[in-house]
This record gives sequence, structure tokens and C-alpha cells, in this order.
Amino acid sequence: NAGVTQTPKFQVLKTGQSMTLQCAQDMNHNSMYWYRQDPGMGLRLIYYSASEGTTDKGEVPNGYNVSRLNKREFSLRLESAAPSQTSVYFCASSPGGTGSTEAFFGQGTRLTVV
Amino acid sequence: AQSVTQPDIHITVSEGASLELRCNYSYGATPYLFWYVQSPGQGLQLLLKYFSGDTLVQGIKGFEAEFKRSQSSFNLRKPSVHWSDAAEYFCAVVPFSGSARQLTFGSGTQLTVLP
Repeated sequence: NAGVTQTPKFQVLKTGQSMTLQCAQDMNHNSMYWYRQDPGMGLRLIYYSASEGTTDKGEVPNGYNVSRLNKREFSLRLESAAPSQTSVYFCASSPGGTGSTEAFFGQGTRLTVV
Repeated sequence: AQSVTQPDIHITVSEGASLELRCNYSYGATPYLFWYVQSPGQGLQLLLKYFSGDTLVQGIKGFEAEFKRSQSSFNLRKPSVHWSDAAEYFCAVVPFSGSARQLTFGSGTQLTVLP
């Protein structure tokens, strides 16, 4: 089982450039999430999609957009990258619904904005 | 305010020694509690979780955690650490009756294992 797959694994951007981080899950999960991980701050939720066709802001959504392309795929877009967006980005998924609390994580994308 | 605290940023232990990683939470009602491990260059893997019932929870890789309501704590333990346990460990909570979108993570504890 591949689980949650993220691409790319590493990326360097110049300030002002745009890019899309891709995420796909093969567990037939309803809910998907994007987190960023910064030193000493744990993981913070950027956006989530409770089910196909819906997206909602998390704790730190500014500077990002998302698309739930279908049930499997949930992408994160940086329209104009800033150095403050240098971070490790994790995609996760969960079955969804009441009582569904466990999340499954991808291996992360390490993004550097120079 | 609701919060999750991991007081130890970095812990170093010798291989074969016992380990305890601390986690404290501040929530109105007892939340759902989790420990995740992140090995270098990897995503997060769930070690164990507590929803209700027995306050001592067994997880994968020989880890266990004890829920203490009186101390609002959910500490992770392992009797004998292996070199492969070197990683970052995250405590996380979901509010009672909540869902995964409400996962809140502590700031993490980095574990170094000496040979």
C-alpha cells in the first residue's frame, strides 16, 4: 500500500515564484489535510477538505490555496512564494466522519524559498 | 486556551536505558490523545492512541503511554531504548467527540540515542 504520496520531496523556489504541491491517497479516505512543520512549533493545519468538493481554512491559511481535485487528490498552491513559507509540508488523510480521529501522513515536501 | 505541551525539546539517552517523554494538555474535557513518531526524512507514524478505558495504552515498537487525568498528562515510555528509536516524537490531541481535522500537535521532543 502506498498510503499518502506527496510530490515533490524537495523544492527550491525564488521569492515570488509559484508552485503546486501534489498529494494523493489510495485508502479511499474522505478527508484530507495540509500541514506545515516549523522547528519548535509542531505541525500546524493550513487547509483541510472534509470530503470531496469541500475545503476549509485551518490555522495558517494565508498565502495558500487548495484544490480537492477528486476523492484521491488534494493539492496545495503557493501563488507567490515568500521566505516565510520555507517549511516542511505534510499531507494527511483520514476516513472522515464522526469519531474518525486518526490521520495518516505522507513523507513530506521540504520547501525552501530564497 | 486549549493547548498541548511537550516540556522537553531534546532528550538524550543511552541505548538500553529507559525512556519517558512528557506530554501535558489543557482541555475542558478529556480529549483523545495520540503519540506520533517522525524518523529523519519521514512522515509521521502513529505509535498509540487513547480514547477511553484502560489508562495504560500499548503501542507499536514496544512503546506504551499512561493517561493520568489528575495530572492532565499522557507520558510516553519505553523500558529499553534501541538506536533505531532516535527520532522526533509528537504528542497530539483531538477534542472529545471531535475529528481528525481538529488534531493539535505539541512542539515535539527530539530523541537522541547514544551507543
